[in-house]
Amino acid sequence: DSGVTQTPKHLITATGQRVTLRCSPRSGDLSVYWYQQSLDQGLQFLIQYYNGEERAKGNILERFSAQQFPDLHSELNLSSLELGDSALYFCASSVEQSASPLHFGNGTRLTVT
Amino acid sequence: AQTVTQSQPEMSVQEAETVTLSCTYDTSESNYYLFWYKQPPSRQMILVIRQEAYKQQNATENRFSVNFQKAAKSFSLKISDSQLGDTAMYFCAFDSNTGNQFYFGTGTSLTVIP
Repeated sequence: DSGVTQTPKHLITATGQRVTLRCSPRSGDLSVYWYQQSLDQGLQFLIQYYNGEERAKGNILERFSAQQFPDLHSELNLSSLELGDSALYFCASSVEQSASPLHFGNGTRLTVT
Repeated sequence: AQTVTQSQPEMSVQEAETVTLSCTYDTSESNYYLFWYKQPPSRQMILVIRQEAYKQQNATENRFSVNFQKAAKSFSLKISDSQLGDTAMYFCAFDSNTGNQFYFGTGTSLTVIP
């Protein structure tokens, strides 16, 4: 158990809808990362937060947004969903902004129909 | 920008044998960190091993060891006495120590054959 909690585990929704994925980092970790992994693909970096502030942005679509709250949990919001957004979304946390290993949650599997 | 390259999309190894997975990276920084992650069929991401660039000694974790060649920007993973549970996708990762994103390679799918 990595200590990173992601909810929900599975999400099925229709095109055009909006969903929110939630992540609780390991106790003591200040940094949260979001990654997207499509079927048989690698990990695409979306965004990183450190202690509530955005630190780095990757290939995140404008339809997607995220934030990290004062209690350090993070939410990833996906709107105007398309079939191609179907993927496994991972949250990972680390103690520092860098130089610390990432500890991954079990992911949220999003299916857009 | 940093890049991480894994040139072997798929590999296989006989149970109990040794296999080496390759990873190269490109960076202009002198201090950074390298990692190998394992993703079994369950899709969970598991940290296998970590290497600090300023350390010359290669990291070792039980049956897993790395061959870190800083000048060549190479970071290979050796798995000794391969077990069926080692069947997984393996990702090489780079962290620049500047607070920017973690960079992952495209992965190598390893199958351990009984």
